[in-house]
Amino acid sequence: DTAVSQTPKYLVTQMGNDKSIKCEQNLGHDTMYWYKQDSKKFLKIMFSYNNKELIINETVPNRFSPKSPDKAHLNLHINSLELGDSAVYFCASSQDMAGGSDTQYFGPGTRLTVL
Amino acid sequence: DAKTTQPNSMESNEEEPVHLPCNHSTISGTDYIHWYRQLPSQGPEYVIHGLTSNVNNRMASLAIAEDRKSSTLILHRATLRDAAVYYCIPQDSNYQLIWGAGTKLIIKP
Repeated sequence: DTAVSQTPKYLVTQMGNDKSIKCEQNLGHDTMYWYKQDSKKFLKIMFSYNNKELIINETVPNRFSPKSPDKAHLNLHINSLELGDSAVYFCASSQDMAGGSDTQYFGPGTRLTVL
Repeated sequence: DAKTTQPNSMESNEEEPVHLPCNHSTISGTDYIHWYRQLPSQGPEYVIHGLTSNVNNRMASLAIAEDRKSSTLILHRATLRDAAVYYCIPQDSNYQLIWGAGTKLIIKP
């Protein structure tokens, strides 16, 4: 069984559209994350949820809205897509974000291309 | 927040040990050092982490300098499947992982 799964794997869409990426983890973890990896390969954290509550919200346009219906899911909704949103988006989970020795488990990524 | 310095890339021969260095001179005394790797077209994967003592697991060993300003990830016998970008990542005061550019490890058969 896949520990952290994301759908879709690829997403190609036009500028101005609204799209969602779904993430599910079956590890029983309390914390989930969304990262963005741009063309230069830097990974930047976007959001973190702990037990369905938003913990970290980095400087991300408010067109990006995470939603956590339950502890095992963290979905990312993006409104009014822009060219600069093209990137690979990774979902991750960990048992306890507040622990310094916590380990994060990543999904396979969703490659978003905005035309 | 601690910053890291890693070589952009390194090459190694298959079946030989690989030592991947990382400088993190501004790390605070309580921040863990994490290492992750990212294989081509995959999500990052945890490798190892440590605080002060050297650490070993089935994937690798982590040697941490006594002053904690640097660390070295050791792959004891590199295989072609170890070709990846390796990230040395200190955690910050909010326990977030601060990702840098990493080291691209190239394994030559």
